[in-house]
Amino acid sequence: DGGITQSPKYLFRKEGQNVTLSCEQNLNHDAMYWYRQDPGQGLRLIYYSQIVNDFQKGDIAEGYSVSREKKESFPLTVTSAQKNPTAFYLCASSMRATAFYNEQFFGPGTRLTVL
Amino acid sequence: GENVEQHPSTLSVQEGDSAVIKCTYSDSASNYFPWYKQELGKRPQLIIDIRSNVGEKKDQRIAVTLNKTAKHFSLHITETQPEDSAVYFCAASANQAGTALIFGKGTTLSVSS
Repeated sequence: DGGITQSPKYLFRKEGQNVTLSCEQNLNHDAMYWYRQDPGQGLRLIYYSQIVNDFQKGDIAEGYSVSREKKESFPLTVTSAQKNPTAFYLCASSMRATAFYNEQFFGPGTRLTVL
Repeated sequence: GENVEQHPSTLSVQEGDSAVIKCTYSDSASNYFPWYKQELGKRPQLIIDIRSNVGEKKDQRIAVTLNKTAKHFSLHITETQPEDSAVYFCAASANQAGTALIFGKGTTLSVSS
């Protein structure tokens, strides 16, 4: 778990502003994921990437964007189009994009609050 | 797409009792079913997982069972301890390659001494 980091830990944003959450891993994992966690809602998948320069939408991708230019990095941008962005955001990674290596390791999370 | 239902949402037990959390899934193609534990203020951590080619897996006080026909799987914790208190999430893989996990909404387990 120590190999996946997120920054910042807390983030405050004014309405109408875009903000980018950082996620970095040094585990040499191929796949990376972004989840949103709200009380009583579990973890909901926003985007995931199986390999560099490729990513797929999850269940709640609207209002979010991602990039995967490097294997180690998978930043998430929360745009002004996201209607209710206040939440806890978790990044995760897994070794291979195959069924056999699917244990996901999570980062410590970023708590985003829209003022 | 895949949908995962988890019950109960809260569970309170006495120390030493057993706890059972149940999940159902909708996609018969799902083949990987992990359980994560999230302590207050911390990140989720994998505690046990099971693949579709086995029916049961144990690791000390925790076990997971899988019924592919009925599309449900369960987490069993025996001899519960106060440090087992946490939120537990089940998940299922959303596609054949097992890359994207769909999580249940979580069960808050409270173990009182």
